[in-house]
Amino acid sequence: SQELEQSPQSLIVQEGKNLTINCTSSKTLYGLYWYKQKYGEGLIFLMMLQKGGEEKSHEKITAKLDEKKQQSSLHITASQPSHAGIYLCGADRDDYKLSFGAGTTVTVRA
Amino acid sequence: DAMVIQNPRYQVTQFGKPVTLSCSQTLNHNVMYWYQQKSSQAPKLLFHYYDKDFNNEADTPDNFQSRRPNTSFCFLDIRSPGLGDAAMYLCATSSGQGEEKLFFGSGTQLSVL
Repeated sequence: SQELEQSPQSLIVQEGKNLTINCTSSKTLYGLYWYKQKYGEGLIFLMMLQKGGEEKSHEKITAKLDEKKQQSSLHITASQPSHAGIYLCGADRDDYKLSFGAGTTVTVRA
Repeated sequence: DAMVIQNPRYQVTQFGKPVTLSCSQTLNHNVMYWYQQKSSQAPKLLFHYYDKDFNNEADTPDNFQSRRPNTSFCFLDIRSPGLGDAAMYLCATSSGQGEEKLFFGSGTQLSVL
């Protein structure tokens, strides 16, 4: 089965500072998904990457998939309290399934 | 708004007492999933339905069952909950198309006393 390792496990960032989260796969990624989860709630879709070298941005969040398609990073610029939460990467297992990493907990301090 | 709705948000049950969690959707998606998520762990897929076809993950305990009486509703039955079954249970749906592959409900937090 596909193993997804996320790093760091958690991080604390000062408001206004940048942060980066990494997701590494044991296998080639054919579809990589980033979700955000607030504590005790469901997962909210952020973005999906599919092609090697692909980069997508939404507001202050940028995600990249490396050329070898085994690692993705999520970068938040000028973090705000609304960015606090758990960020999970997910990978296609087959047409209808996703497996997930354990998540990175982000705390933003004012 | 089209949604995936889970009820209840919080469920407390007693050790060994059967419990049912419910999920409904207005997206008319043909695939519905149940994930189990324990604290600080990855969501773990328990099973999914493709229309009426039930697909169990190989390592899902027999204690967990599911029913999908129609397109809109899916239920998770835990026949004899143990302390280790305390977790967040997430329902998700998919049409199999589009970038947003899975649409999640808000989850049900299950406590076992």
